Amino acid sequence: KAGVTQTPRYLIKTRGQQVTLSCSPISGHRSVSWYQQTPGQGLQFLFEYFSETQRNKGNFPGRFSGRQFSNSRSEMNVSTLELGDSALYLCASSLLGGHSYNEQFFGPGTRLTVL
Amino acid sequence: DQQVKQNSPSLSVQEGRISILNCDYTNSMFDYFLWYKKYPAEGPTFLISISSIKDKNEDGRFTVFLNKSAKHLSLHIVPSQPGDSAVYFCAATTNTGNQFYFGTGTSLTVIP
Repeated sequence: KAGVTQTPRYLIKTRGQQVTLSCSPISGHRSVSWYQQTPGQGLQFLFEYFSETQRNKGNFPGRFSGRQFSNSRSEMNVSTLELGDSALYLCASSLLGGHSYNEQFFGPGTRLTVL
Repeated sequence: DQQVKQNSPSLSVQEGRISILNCDYTNSMFDYFLWYKKYPAEGPTFLISISSIKDKNEDGRFTVFLNKSAKHLSLHIVPSQPGDSAVYFCAATTNTGNQFYFGTGTSLTVIP
């Protein structure tokens, strides 16, 4: 069974631009969560999607948005990029979602650098 | 507001000795805890978990201990091996939420 895939793996953007990251979950998994990882901050929860609906959202500004498609693939969008958005963005999929204590499987991440 | 904290950014141990990684949490509603291991250029991978109804869970060389009164959990690795060198994250969740709260990670180096 293929794991969680994220594209692109690396991305360089400039301030003010926008970016879209993609995540393909493990086949059959319906929950996709997004995290931002920065040095000293650990993994910060962005949002979780389940069956195309956002079920939970972390404390990030509205510039961060996402969506999930009928095939469970998910995209994350960041508009008006700021230098502080430089981070590793991780996507995790699970069968049903966190409240069922389902194990999350992580992708390798997208390393975003904002210049 | 960091609800899960790992106060040691790094730890070095000799091969064959015990590695102890610590994690503290503030939210008394957390009832399920997990440890993840992360190698460079890879996503975190699940290592071991524990429910709040237990105080210990063991899986091979890895044991997680939970002290609910102190809101503290620890991961013991015995014996430590060079391949264990990685960043370890602890995470917690509640039975009503869909969100996992992660600590900031501890970088473990096992010296051959």
